[in-house]
Amino acid sequence: AQSVTQLDSQVPVFEEAPVELRCNYSSSVSVYLFWYVQYPNQGLQLLLKYLSGSTLVKGINGFEAEFNKSQTSFHLRKPSVHISDTAEYFCAVRDQGAQKLVFGQGTRLTINP
Amino acid sequence: NAGVTQTPKFRVLKTGQSMTLLCAQDMNHEYMYWYRQDPGMGLRLIHYSVGEGTTAKGEVPDGYNVSRLKKQNFLLGLESAAPSQTSVYFCASSSSPGNQPQHFGDGTRLSIL
Repeated sequence: AQSVTQLDSQVPVFEEAPVELRCNYSSSVSVYLFWYVQYPNQGLQLLLKYLSGSTLVKGINGFEAEFNKSQTSFHLRKPSVHISDTAEYFCAVRDQGAQKLVFGQGTRLTINP
Repeated sequence: NAGVTQTPKFRVLKTGQSMTLLCAQDMNHEYMYWYRQDPGMGLRLIHYSVGEGTTAKGEVPDGYNVSRLKKQNFLLGLESAAPSQTSVYFCASSSSPGNQPQHFGDGTRLSIL
């Protein structure tokens, strides 16, 4: 069964610094990959998705992620973070043909001034 | 532009009480999902539905029941609430299970005393 591991439960960074949030998944079958963001007391919002094609995908708010099939990874990056990026970030994977989305445990990103 | 609406937003129950959480979506989506979110565990799928009149078990279905009598509504029931069911519950919907993202409600915070 597919599983998703977000390697860091918390990531503190200073404002305007770059950040990378790591995500690895277990199965090497064809997959669809997603990153969601959850602001305090809100639901999850789609940040970006990889379906096929270019391995570098760009999302909202200046975030991007790179799909690496050989490493079964889908790490999220932003070159310069802002205080408003403080949130919890979830990586999610769906095997092609499957009905269920499997979520990672989440990474809490804290931006310090 | 409501999207996915969950009611109620907050609720406190006593052990043994029953209640129903309502999820409504106005996007004409076929697929609907109920998740629970607990600290450090990401989102876990409780039950899901692939269309009106259908339901299926997810990862953690015990103690919950669901119904999808109308395409736009997906109800989650707790017949006899237990403290272990204290959680934040999220409903989501999508137009297909494959490459389309899920759209989430803002959540229901449920405490069982």
